[in-house]
Amino acid sequence: AQSVTQLGSHVSVSEGALVLLRCNYSSSVPPYLFWYVQYPNQGLQLLLKYTSAATLVKGINGFEAEFKKSETSFHLTKPSAHMSDAAEYFCAVSGTGRRALTFGSGTRLQVQP
Amino acid sequence: GAVVSQHPSWVICKSGTSVKIECRSLDFQATTMFWYRQFPKQSLMLMATSNEGSKATYEQGVEKDKFLINHASLTLSTLTVTSAHPEDSSFYICSARDGGAGEGGYTFGSGTRLTVV
Repeated sequence: AQSVTQLGSHVSVSEGALVLLRCNYSSSVPPYLFWYVQYPNQGLQLLLKYTSAATLVKGINGFEAEFKKSETSFHLTKPSAHMSDAAEYFCAVSGTGRRALTFGSGTRLQVQP
Repeated sequence: GAVVSQHPSWVICKSGTSVKIECRSLDFQATTMFWYRQFPKQSLMLMATSNEGSKATYEQGVEKDKFLINHASLTLSTLTVTSAHPEDSSFYICSARDGGAGEGGYTFGSGTRLTVV
């Protein structure tokens, strides 16, 4: 079985500050890990994914995440927050094959001017 | 990149009627599609997995007679909410897996907001 835990349902940062959204995973097989962003009443947009290649994954909009097996973590970071980053962020995990993604509970990011 | 089109984006229906939601992969063949449900301010919960040409696999607690899933072609899956009731009001999102994209090839539709009155 696989699962992800997102620490912090709400994160608030100032514009220009570092963004850090935490995700820890649990998996009995080598995981594939994802970060998605969701704006109100919209679907999910892929920010980045880890599929067993480089442990530091760069995504869109300046986001990146580092896979740390020893810590079972896949935290999402962005050096400088922008107002447009305010949204809901979901971490997700999948194994091999045609399995569905399992999502974390989500973290709402607020960006203060 | 891979695109999944989901329609309608929102629908209001009367209690007791049925509603069909379509999910199409526009530029790839989706051997597997997934249907999720999302309540306000909550995460996505997997409802079912559908494979082209075979019966859908429903998650525990999901009524297969209420949520009918059809995956008749490699580019189209439909979710029909039968005899809808207000408690079925929710945001429904489909996802298609692009087998040609290797591991991690998941694309999501834009979602359907269902309101049952």
